Amino acid sequence: EPEVTQTPSHQVTQMGQEVILRCVPISNHLYFYWYRQILGQKVEFLVSFYNNEISEKSEIFDDQFSVERPDGSNFTLKIRSTKLEDSAMYFCASLQTGSSYEQYFGPGTRLTVT
Amino acid sequence: AQSVTQPDIHITVSEGASLELRCNYSYGATPYLFWYVQSPGQGLQLLLKYFSGDTLVQGIKGFEAEFKRSQSSFNLRKPSVHWSDAAEYFCAVGARNNAGNMLTFGGGTRLMVKP
Repeated sequence: EPEVTQTPSHQVTQMGQEVILRCVPISNHLYFYWYRQILGQKVEFLVSFYNNEISEKSEIFDDQFSVERPDGSNFTLKIRSTKLEDSAMYFCASLQTGSSYEQYFGPGTRLTVT
Repeated sequence: AQSVTQPDIHITVSEGASLELRCNYSYGATPYLFWYVQSPGQGLQLLLKYFSGDTLVQGIKGFEAEFKRSQSSFNLRKPSVHWSDAAEYFCAVGARNNAGNMLTFGGGTRLMVKP
């Protein structure tokens, strides 16, 4: 069964450094998402991406964040200058348009900012 | 804006007992509704979803959920819990007007299963 993959599974970085989290969505899906989950808290929406542009973003998704689909398969989340409070699990999801509105989630990348 | 409330932060049940996890949503129209399960250190696995039609939906692992429009609820049930069901459960709502819309998650309910 097709699945969303994410790399790395765990990333440790120092405050102020740039990180790029990578996702490979399911191949025939058209909508892509990033969510985050701070330890012990709920899953929060960050951004959705369709047709090579951001379709929706939350207030969390400020100028420190950016997303890109650099080729036909990868979908990336970049944090320009990480802060301690960016430490969280980041989930990528994808969705195939049509009758199903089911988002498929990847296993997540745990980001630890020290 | 849509929102989801899961009133129970923690629930403990004995193995073999029945389970009901509560979920209430706020949305202006009929939403798309989902239940996801997250085992420790793992990602989110979809248990079941409601889009339209029969208000009682069946999912994987023996779970079911019932959409009650009058109560704005989508409670998850299982008749007999197994020790492997211990995990965190998230209810989520999605808007109908655009496939690109985000999911809004509830705070989650952590299920513990006693032997």
